[in-house]
Amino acid sequence: AQSVTQLDSHVSVSEGTPVLLRCNYSSSYSPSLFWYVQHPNKGLQLLLKYTSAATLVKGINGFEAEFKKSETSFHLTKPSAHMSDAAEYFCVVRQGAGNNRKLIWGLGTSLAVNP
Amino acid sequence: EPEVTQTPSHQVTQMGQEVILRCVPISNHLYFYWYRQILGQKVEFLVSFYNNEISEKSEIFDDQFSVERPDGSNFTLKIRSTKLEDSAMYFCASSERQGDEQYFGPGTRLTVT
Repeated sequence: AQSVTQLDSHVSVSEGTPVLLRCNYSSSYSPSLFWYVQHPNKGLQLLLKYTSAATLVKGINGFEAEFKKSETSFHLTKPSAHMSDAAEYFCVVRQGAGNNRKLIWGLGTSLAVNP
Repeated sequence: EPEVTQTPSHQVTQMGQEVILRCVPISNHLYFYWYRQILGQKVEFLVSFYNNEISEKSEIFDDQFSVERPDGSNFTLKIRSTKLEDSAMYFCASSERQGDEQYFGPGTRLTVT
């Protein structure tokens, strides 16, 4: 069975400094991996996805993530944090085939950005 | 930009009552999903729906739950007799094709008292 582990429940950075949100996955075959963001009182928005193409994936708002099979990791990074990046971030793996494509979610990492 | 919408944003109900949570997926999408997130816990898959039938359901999705696409636009989740432990945020999602990314609505917060 597939699963994801987000290594930090809470990360705090200063505005303008780099962001690193860590995620490790477990999968018996080549996974599809995603990062979603949830701002307060908003829905879940897709940041980026990996589906077996380029291992370095660029997403919206300057975020990117690198798929490292040897480390079973899919960490999310951004070179310079902005106040508007403060939100909950979820690492997600897609399980199943055919018409069954459910998403398996990590517990989430809350990102705080300090002025 | 098209988006998934959900109503109501917040529903308060008494234990044992029936609730219907409503979703309007993106219009050209064919695959529909419900997830829930109990406060402080992971987002959990409930059910997927395609071609007017359930594709897959989780252990959570027992006989108290049902889904329906009553017309060409709405996708509903019904809980027949709510329990306290059904209190959660319920998210609807849709995707255009098999394997595409899922687009999520803003969620309905269900509070069972």
